[in-house]
Amino acid sequence: EAEVAQSPRYKITEKSQAVAFWCDPISGHATLYWYRQILGQGPELLVQFQDESVVDDSQLPKDRFSAERLKGVDSTLKIQPAELGDSAMYLCASSFRDSNSPLHFGNGTRLTVT
Amino acid sequence: GESVGLHLPTLSVQEGDNSIINCAYSNSASDYFIWYKQESGKGPQFIIDIRSNMDKRQGQRVTVLLNKTVKHLSLQIAATQPGDSAVYFCAERETGFQKLVFGTGTRLLVSP
Repeated sequence: EAEVAQSPRYKITEKSQAVAFWCDPISGHATLYWYRQILGQGPELLVQFQDESVVDDSQLPKDRFSAERLKGVDSTLKIQPAELGDSAMYLCASSFRDSNSPLHFGNGTRLTVT
Repeated sequence: GESVGLHLPTLSVQEGDNSIINCAYSNSASDYFIWYKQESGKGPQFIIDIRSNMDKRQGQRVTVLLNKTVKHLSLQIAATQPGDSAVYFCAERETGFQKLVFGTGTRLLVSP
């Protein structure tokens, strides 16, 4: 079964440093999402792409977070500078274009900011 | 804002029992609901979905029930197995949108 690929699996960084996460969605999935999950809570949407365009980034802290999906396939999420409160699991998901298809998640990147 | 929530944070069952995990939602504009299973250190795994024009849907050992009148969703797992131990999330999608809004999760513990 096709999977959403994410890397790295784990990342430890010091506060004020830059960090980047990569995601490769399931082939054919036009919609890509980045979610953040704090331990013990449900995932929360950061940004949603349709092909290469951002369709929802209302919850993305734009002063330090950026996301791109230049060719409408894989995507990168960046944090600069990282803060202690950014420690969380960063999950990428993808889905078909229509609104009645489920999201398929990768196994995430566990970020620890020290 | 509107949100999805769960009644029970932890559910403990014996192997072989049936499990029922409940979820309350508050957005009356939601028309699509999904249950996910998340094991430690992994991403959420799709279990089953249901659209608002249905009140019941069955999968392999799982059944989702939707009661739109009281805005309640439940996941029933038949003959629960130790491998079912995980955190279960319900999620909703508002009509016309693609993003999912997740609840806080219920931990299911299955003892042999």
